[in-house]
Amino acid sequence: DVKVTQSSRYLVKRTGEKVFLECVQDMDHENMFWYRQDPGLGLRLIYFSYDVKMKEKGDIPEGYSVSREKKERFSLILESASTNQTSMYLCASRGTAGSGANVLTFGAGSRLTVL
Amino acid sequence: QQQVKQSPQSLIVQKGGISIINCAYENTAFDYFPWYQQFPGKGPALLIAIRPDVSEKKEGRFTISFNKSAKQFSLHIMDSQPGDSATYFCAASWGYNQGGKLIFGQGTELSVKP
Repeated sequence: DVKVTQSSRYLVKRTGEKVFLECVQDMDHENMFWYRQDPGLGLRLIYFSYDVKMKEKGDIPEGYSVSREKKERFSLILESASTNQTSMYLCASRGTAGSGANVLTFGAGSRLTVL
Repeated sequence: QQQVKQSPQSLIVQKGGISIINCAYENTAFDYFPWYQQFPGKGPALLIAIRPDVSEKKEGRFTISFNKSAKQFSLHIMDSQPGDSATYFCAASWGYNQGGKLIFGQGTELSVKP
């Protein structure tokens, strides 16, 4: 089974703080994604990465950046957290071949509250 | 044109009843339509998916109905059980096998009452 692990389940930060959300997957997947989940808005793509050191903007990249230094790890960075970034953040990964190619596998989520 | 519109936002069904969730899209290039199921405290997980060359796909109590001309697809849960209580997301993508991104609907919170 593919495992996508988000190290922080709950975080509380103050406005202006720098926030790191870490995600690790253990199935050697090429593709990794960060989504934001808000009630009534569904899942919105923030950033994604097709390979190490590669990144592409999703639908709502403003206020966020990402880092992918190793294939298994994809980090989401909030340079200066704001209250409107209070949300559930979901990391996902997806392979490019075999049975894993069509399955986007999610982590359990990181709930961030910005005060 | 990139949106996927999902309804209803919430749904209450009695045990044994049929749950129906609907999604509509505009982009006729979409070629992959999955449904994801999310239990509280968990990430979404793939439930069932369909390609536009078929009108229906069934897996156990879960069925996707696909209407290409109307640009709509729906999830039917037969004999709904309390254990089906979860949030359901429809999604769509084009060129998914070539790395296309999934675009998700707004989600439906399903509650199945005993």
